Amino acid sequence: EPEVTQTPSHQVTQMGQEVILRCVPISNHLYFYWYRQILGQKVEFLVSFYNNEISEKSEIFDDQFSVERPDGSNFTLKIRSTKLEDSAMYFCASSPTAPRRGYTFGSGTRLTVV
Amino acid sequence: DAKTTQPPSMDCAEGRAANLPCNHSTISGNEYVYWYRQIHSQGPQYIIHGLKNNETNEMASLIITEDRKSSTLILPHATLRDTAVYYCIVRVGSGAGSYQLTFGKGTKLSVIP
Repeated sequence: EPEVTQTPSHQVTQMGQEVILRCVPISNHLYFYWYRQILGQKVEFLVSFYNNEISEKSEIFDDQFSVERPDGSNFTLKIRSTKLEDSAMYFCASSPTAPRRGYTFGSGTRLTVV
Repeated sequence: DAKTTQPPSMDCAEGRAANLPCNHSTISGNEYVYWYRQIHSQGPQYIIHGLKNNETNEMASLIITEDRKSSTLILPHATLRDTAVYYCIVRVGSGAGSYQLTFGKGTKLSVIP
């Protein structure tokens, strides 16, 4: 069964550093998403991406964050100047042409900011 | 905030059917009901979705009331691997509107041997 692949599985970074979280969505999917989950809290929407541009973003997704689809397969989330409160699981997801269908989530990247 | 209400936890005996309820009394005509689950800290897993008709797939069945104000997810023969947090989410399926998933706290289902 097709999977959404995320790398790395765990990233430790120092406060103030920049990190890039990488995702390979399912190949024929056209909608891409980032969600995060702080330990013990709800899964929160960050951003959706379609047709090479952001289609929706939450209040969390401020200027500290950016997304990019640098080639035909990767989808990245960049977090600039990381803060302790950015520590969380970050999940990438993709869905096919019709958003009505369910998403497929990746297994996540655990980001720890120290 | 999430537009759905779910019990915080439920237990189910292994091999029995698990029936997980969800209230969504403010659902709009173009909104679908989606169910996802999350096992430990893994990524959420899509289970099933529906608009107004009952739906069944290899994982589960979804029963939506006629007025669409509530639904029930049925796992016909629960196994220990079905222990997870189950999320009921309403969202537009297409056209105008937000496609983001708004997760609540869900129902923690514990399948007991």
